[in-house]
Amino acid sequence: GESVGLHLPTLSVQEGDNSIINCAYSNSASDYFIWYKQESGKGPQFIIDIRSNMDKRQGQRVTVLLNKTVKHLSLQIAATQPGDSAVYFCAGETYGGATNKLIFGTGTLLAVQP
Amino acid sequence: DSGVTQTPKHLITATGQRVTLRCSPRSGDLSVYWYQQSLDQGLQFLIQYYNGEERAKGNILERFSAQQFPDLHSELNLSSLELGDSALYFCASSVGPSIDTQYFGPGTRLTVL
Repeated sequence: GESVGLHLPTLSVQEGDNSIINCAYSNSASDYFIWYKQESGKGPQFIIDIRSNMDKRQGQRVTVLLNKTVKHLSLQIAATQPGDSAVYFCAGETYGGATNKLIFGTGTLLAVQP
Repeated sequence: DSGVTQTPKHLITATGQRVTLRCSPRSGDLSVYWYQQSLDQGLQFLIQYYNGEERAKGNILERFSAQQFPDLHSELNLSSLELGDSALYFCASSVGPSIDTQYFGPGTRLTVL
């Protein structure tokens, strides 16, 4: 079935380093992807999104890269800070009959070491 | 603060019981989504309402139902509760009916004993 999954369940980085979180998707027809950050005890928080007509999009300290050929997207966080410690989810649009819905990956825990 | 509110924050109940979770979307958002997040299943889409009408359905059990009222707030009803229904339930909202940026509420933690 449809799936959006993550390569690494846990990523540990040193403060100040760059972080890269990866995500694979199975539906080649998906054309919208979102990255969410979820801190402990809180709801998912929107970080950045990208549509399939782009291969890169930048935000504040974050960049999302989309490789449609291998159905892979990544989230890059520059100069990782302790406040970046959270679970990061990718989500992709999938088609279900007349309507679409978002399918979420299982999440990657980013642990920032001081 | 996403602007999406959910009540209650915590709910503890017994098996076989029925509960209602409430969500108010961000001002101006017409779509409301419900998600279930458990440790072994991750974040699972349950159902979407747009402007009072059911728009999309995900992995929602027949014991669960939802509705969206004229003031756009939504309620998720869970009945005949089982231990496995214990989870975090999130509501999200977005402006239109199509897939777009969804803003999540803080969630309701349901514990079924």
